[in-house]
Amino acid sequence: GNSVTQMEGPVTLSEEAFLTINCTYTATGYPSLFWYVQYPGEGLQLLLKATKADDKGSNKGFEATYRKETTSFHLEKGSVQVSDSAVYFCALALTNTGNQFYFGTGTSLTVIP
Amino acid sequence: EAQVTQNPRYLITVTGKKLTVTCSQNMNHEYMSWYRQDPGLGLRQIYYSMNVEVTDKGDVPEGYKVSRKEKRNFPLILESPSPNQTSLYFCASSRPSGRGRGTDTQYFGPGTRLTVL
Repeated sequence: GNSVTQMEGPVTLSEEAFLTINCTYTATGYPSLFWYVQYPGEGLQLLLKATKADDKGSNKGFEATYRKETTSFHLEKGSVQVSDSAVYFCALALTNTGNQFYFGTGTSLTVIP
Repeated sequence: EAQVTQNPRYLITVTGKKLTVTCSQNMNHEYMSWYRQDPGLGLRQIYYSMNVEVTDKGDVPEGYKVSRKEKRNFPLILESPSPNQTSLYFCASSRPSGRGRGTDTQYFGPGTRLTVL
C-alpha cells in the first residue's frame, strides 16, 4: 500500500539551530513528494515539493531531496527562526492514478528565542 | 485572489442532525478532496473527486457523502453525524499533474471545526 512515516514530535529547537525532520514513504507507483506547513489556526500551505527522483525542493531556506533508493524526503533548514514554529506534514501524491494524497502524522516544531 | 473557501468555519451539532459543509474553489481545478485531521493521525482523505459527477472514496468514507454537480463546489454531507465524527475538516483542490491522471499540488481551505455532541 501507500503510506508516509515521519518523525514523531514535538521538536523544540533554539533559534538558529539546524533542523531535520525525517520522512520516509511507501508507494506503489511513482509519487510526487511534498512538505506542507500548518500554522496555528490555519489550513495547510505548500512548503516545497519534488516530482521525481533526485529532485531537490526548496523554499524559505527549507530543502528536501527526493531519494528513491532510501524512499525518503527529509526536510532540512540550516538556521531556524521563531517564525518557523508550526506543524510540518510530509505527503505523497500518486502521479499515475487518481487524486489520492497520503499524509504523515505531522511533526510539531517549536523554536525558542 | 485564488482560494478555497469552506463554510461554516465552526459548527457544534447533536447526534443524528444532518449537516452540510460547503467547499468552493475559484481556480477552475478539476480535482477536489475532503480530509479530516485528528491528533496523532495526521490528515486522512475522506472522498475525492476528479471532475464533475466523478467522485471516489478515500481512506475513511464511512458516514460521509459528497456530490460534485459543479466544478467549483464540493459539499461534504453528514446524514447522521455521530460523536466520532468530531474533527477538523479540510477541503482541498488541485489540477492533474500532467504526468498521468495523478494530482499536482493541493490548495487547502481554512478548515471547519466540527463538534458532534
